[in-house]
Amino acid sequence: AQSVAQPEDQVNVAEGNPLTVKCTYSVSGNPYLFWYVQYPNRGLQFLLKYITGDNLVKGSYGFEAEFNKSQTSFHLKKPSALVSDSALYFCAVLDGSSNTGKLIFGQGTTLQVKP
Amino acid sequence: DAGITQSPRHKVTETGTPVTLRCHQTENHRYMYWYRQDPGHGLRLIHYSYGVKDTDKGEVSDGYSVSRSKTEDFLLTLESATSSQTSVYFCAIKPAGEFEQYFGPGTRLTVT
Repeated sequence: AQSVAQPEDQVNVAEGNPLTVKCTYSVSGNPYLFWYVQYPNRGLQFLLKYITGDNLVKGSYGFEAEFNKSQTSFHLKKPSALVSDSALYFCAVLDGSSNTGKLIFGQGTTLQVKP
Repeated sequence: DAGITQSPRHKVTETGTPVTLRCHQTENHRYMYWYRQDPGHGLRLIHYSYGVKDTDKGEVSDGYSVSRSKTEDFLLTLESATSSQTSVYFCAIKPAGEFEQYFGPGTRLTVT
């Protein structure tokens, strides 16, 4: 069964410091991986995806993610955090057992960036 | 929010009453999804649709039904609401040829 795990409920980082939000996955076959961000009282916004190719994927708002096949990880990163990056972040994997485009989400990680 | 609207945005209802949530999209996307979001669980798929009148169950479909009589509308119905269905409900679409989904603004449902 496909699954994704976000091992940290919350990540705290000071503004200007680099940030990492962790995600590990378990899939059969090639993984299709995604990151989403949710600001308070809003829907989820798509940040970036890994389908194939370069292991370092760049996305919106200066975020990037590194795909590591040997560690089955897809960590979200940003070189310099902003207070406005404070939000709930979700990692997701495509359910490859069907052709219906279903996504399986992690439980989410709250990012708190302090001034 | 990717041209997706959800209505109502907030609803309080009593246990045992039927509730219908509406998702409307304006870009003729074939695939539409209903999720619920609960603390500690992330988003869980309730039902999805891959075309008009073509729907299927997700991982948490018990107590929910859906209908899609037009491409642009995907309805989620709670036949008899229970307190365990208090949640935030999100609709999403998947554009053709893409793998990612785009989400609506959500409906906060409280069942008392």
